[in-house]
Amino acid sequence: NAGVTQTPKFRVLKTGQSMTLLCAQDMNHEYMYWYRQDPGMGLRLIHYSVGEGTTAKGEVPDGYNVSRLKKQNFLLGLESAAPSQTSVYFCASSSATGNTIYFGEGSWLTVV
Amino acid sequence: AQKITQTQPGMFVQEKEAVTLDCTYDTSDPSYGLFWYKQPSSGEMIFLIYQGSYDQQNATEGRYSLNFQKARKSANLVISASQLGDSAMYFCAMIISGFQKLVFGTGTRLLVSP
Repeated sequence: NAGVTQTPKFRVLKTGQSMTLLCAQDMNHEYMYWYRQDPGMGLRLIHYSVGEGTTAKGEVPDGYNVSRLKKQNFLLGLESAAPSQTSVYFCASSSATGNTIYFGEGSWLTVV
Repeated sequence: AQKITQTQPGMFVQEKEAVTLDCTYDTSDPSYGLFWYKQPSSGEMIFLIYQGSYDQQNATEGRYSLNFQKARKSANLVISASQLGDSAMYFCAMIISGFQKLVFGTGTRLLVSP
């Protein structure tokens, strides 16, 4: 999945710290997504964006903020990290037709 | 609201045999797409196959085929001639064309034995 790049890949945070995950795609895709994956729960949608300057809430948006200032980038922010936000985070992007969706390699976040 | 259900937490199959992974979905939107992804132990999400709701034929990609039964709202993945490298988690997902939100099932862990 060379077209979707997530940084950082691993991070350990202390409770209350803030951080930003960056997702970049080079496929000129309109839609971008942030998911979290927890054991036994599949992937749950946090926020998504259908275009530059637009964002929307997914299934589990609390505690996260996002921004899409440029079409190729989708940022996920944790303002005050909590242990419950320990998870693997995946970014994805898709074309406007929605039949090709590509994922980044995941970002492992631990909050202690 | 749209929902994906995968009822098999784990499946076992012997090498070279075929296996079917079940997926049912629920949506009132007439236009949608169904995906299957593979997640090996390394963690990346690998796209396997896609089926559009208006596609007349079942999708196939090499050893993967999607058994699409629209009236039953099922989209089962069939893997023919299983290989040891097929051992992984498999996720079914659905996208609604209106707001392009991709929703996942909880996954099925497949183990292929020699």
